[in-house]
Amino acid sequence: EIVLTQSPDTLSLSPGERATLSCRASQSVSRYLAWYQQKPGQAPRLLIYDASNRATGIPARFSGSGSGTDFTLTISSLDPEDFAVYYCQQRRNWPRGTFGQGTKVEIK
Amino acid sequence: EVQLVESGGGLVQPGGSLRLSCTASGFTFSSFEMNWVRQAPGKGPEWVSYISSSGSTIYYADSVEGRFTISRDNAQNSLYLQMNSLRAEDTAVYYCAKQYCDDGKCYGAWFGPWGQGTLVTVSS
Repeated sequence: EIVLTQSPDTLSLSPGERATLSCRASQSVSRYLAWYQQKPGQAPRLLIYDASNRATGIPARFSGSGSGTDFTLTISSLDPEDFAVYYCQQRRNWPRGTFGQGTKVEIK
Repeated sequence: EVQLVESGGGLVQPGGSLRLSCTASGFTFSSFEMNWVRQAPGKGPEWVSYISSSGSTIYYADSVEGRFTISRDNAQNSLYLQMNSLRAEDTAVYYCAKQYCDDGKCYGAWFGPWGQGTLVTVSS
């Protein structure tokens, strides 16, 4: 099973600051990686797919990069609505994909 | 607007059964692949099962293989998950999720949107 490890577990930042979230795979997943945002009491929402493509309706302040085993989600300037938990997901061995444990972005 | 509404969750004893339903609207249900994804309290999501648009291709996570059965009724715009031999570790919010499509291209690998989820608690 491909294990995804996200870091840090928690990121404490202020609105307007830049957020950089990391996701590392235990083996190469090529570019088969996505990022989701989850707010309390809500379902996850797809932000980025295929490592760097923004999903429909996702603001340009969200960007994804990476390939192989190392991936990054960047939020260029945090909006108050961006404080949430973010998960990465790989589908290299579709359909048996796996998710990371999540990074919580909290208000400092 | 795409809507997915799950139902059927609840409290069940270990070894018991539940049937979850997901009712879809706002899109041509019969044209899209669907999944069940679950999330245990405080944990990341876990993919559970996949079904193709026609229902002819089905996959399960190893953790539920042989105990859970996914199905769909395209005439009723509904997706189902029959869960048998439930264990404490099956306790989670269960979401149905549509395959993600963007600009006319659909991706079996990605999930979007998801329903609001239904809570399954397995406990004596």
